[in-house]
Amino acid sequence: DAKTTQPTSMDCAEGRAANLPCNHSTISGNEYVYWYRQIHSQGPQYIIHGLKNNETNEMASLIITEDRKSSTLILPHATLRDTAVYYCIVRRPNAGNNRKLIWGLGTSLAVNP
Amino acid sequence: DAGVIQSPRHEVTEMGQEVTLRCKPISGHDYLFWYRQTMMRGLELLIYFNNNVPIDDSGMPEDRFSAKMPNASFSTLKIQPSEPRDSAVYFCASRGLGTSGGAGYNEQFFGPGTRLTVL
Repeated sequence: DAKTTQPTSMDCAEGRAANLPCNHSTISGNEYVYWYRQIHSQGPQYIIHGLKNNETNEMASLIITEDRKSSTLILPHATLRDTAVYYCIVRRPNAGNNRKLIWGLGTSLAVNP
Repeated sequence: DAGVIQSPRHEVTEMGQEVTLRCKPISGHDYLFWYRQTMMRGLELLIYFNNNVPIDDSGMPEDRFSAKMPNASFSTLKIQPSEPRDSAVYFCASRGLGTSGGAGYNEQFFGPGTRLTVL
């Protein structure tokens, strides 16, 4: 399975963009990159996912490098409520219906006023 | 929809006792996952079901752990006998079918978790 590497922690000023990096140098061609976040005392929450192209939704943008060995999650205007642990996950490839996601320890993002 | 429901939210028990955690997935979802989260190991997948059938239980730590899904709307995770090292937050998650690459593909919806403390 492709593994991911993320910084343990990051800080960001409220209102500024938060850029969270993730390395997945062993990613396979058919593996997707997923981002989830976990706010304190809650279950993880899906944010966004992508395969090759950059993706954007109402929560965030996902930038994937051309070689797909790394990606960056961008929160364009971070708020205090974005303080959470952010997980970058690569889906295990399987010809069947394997829906497992392999989780790491994530990045603890602190948004400061 | 109320989302994924877990009970109890908090459980404190003594070593050696049996513990049963419960989960009600989102209606219509056909995948159900049990996770354990600790500070040291992060979020670990224990077992997952598809259409009530256990597909992969390789994450279950040992024989003291067992999980069942008797129907599409209910699952249990049982620990017997419990040990202090089992203390953790246990999450249940569910997901339904999604079109490949679509917004719902592989998106898991998590419950609020059960915080288990084994003394």
